[in-house]
Amino acid sequence: ETGVTQSPTHLIKTRGQQVTLRCSSQSGHNTVSWYQQALGQGPQFIFQYYREEENGRGNFPPRFSGLQFPNYSSELNVNALELDDSALYLCASSTGRNEKLFFGSGTQLSVL
Amino acid sequence: GQNIDQPTEMTATEGAIVQINCTYQTSGFNGLFWYQQHAGEAPTFLSYNVLDGLEEKGRFSSFLSRSKGYSYLLLKELQMKDSASYLCAVRDRTGGGNKLTFGTGTQLKVEL
Repeated sequence: ETGVTQSPTHLIKTRGQQVTLRCSSQSGHNTVSWYQQALGQGPQFIFQYYREEENGRGNFPPRFSGLQFPNYSSELNVNALELDDSALYLCASSTGRNEKLFFGSGTQLSVL
Repeated sequence: GQNIDQPTEMTATEGAIVQINCTYQTSGFNGLFWYQQHAGEAPTFLSYNVLDGLEEKGRFSSFLSRSKGYSYLLLKELQMKDSASYLCAVRDRTGGGNKLTFGTGTQLKVEL
């Protein structure tokens, strides 16, 4: 167990809706990254937050946004959901920008 | 951009040794990671290589050749519980932060 917790574990939404996913990082970790993992694929980097600021972004549209709070927990927000957004969303925390990532168990999002 | 290749599936026998290869192309290499992921669970860290050579940790070893853009994960004394997906991931200096680019994963099946 990594100490990274995500909620909810499963979520069903319809196309066009908005969703917020939450992550609590492991104690002592100030960096949080979000990844999207489609079925049968490796995780794809969405973005990273370091000390409450976005610090690197992958090839995802602006409707994917995030926040990091003073306690280093984080949210991922996705607006105008599309069917292709159905995936496992993984949060990972680390102690810094060049340290190994510890992943949470993820939120399985289904968009109908 | 980056390109990471690893075999899609492998099958091995309990007690045997298996080697999972990974080749990559990246512009600013800054480390290679191996993660294990059981179905429906979070990826868990196995190994990290940033310099050429072999890193050994119990039944798992990982090798890196930066000049060849090549790594492998070696699993010895295979157990049934080793059946999982093994993800190769590369970190580079571009794009900011601690972004990892993952391969699609190698699904390992351990048989009796």
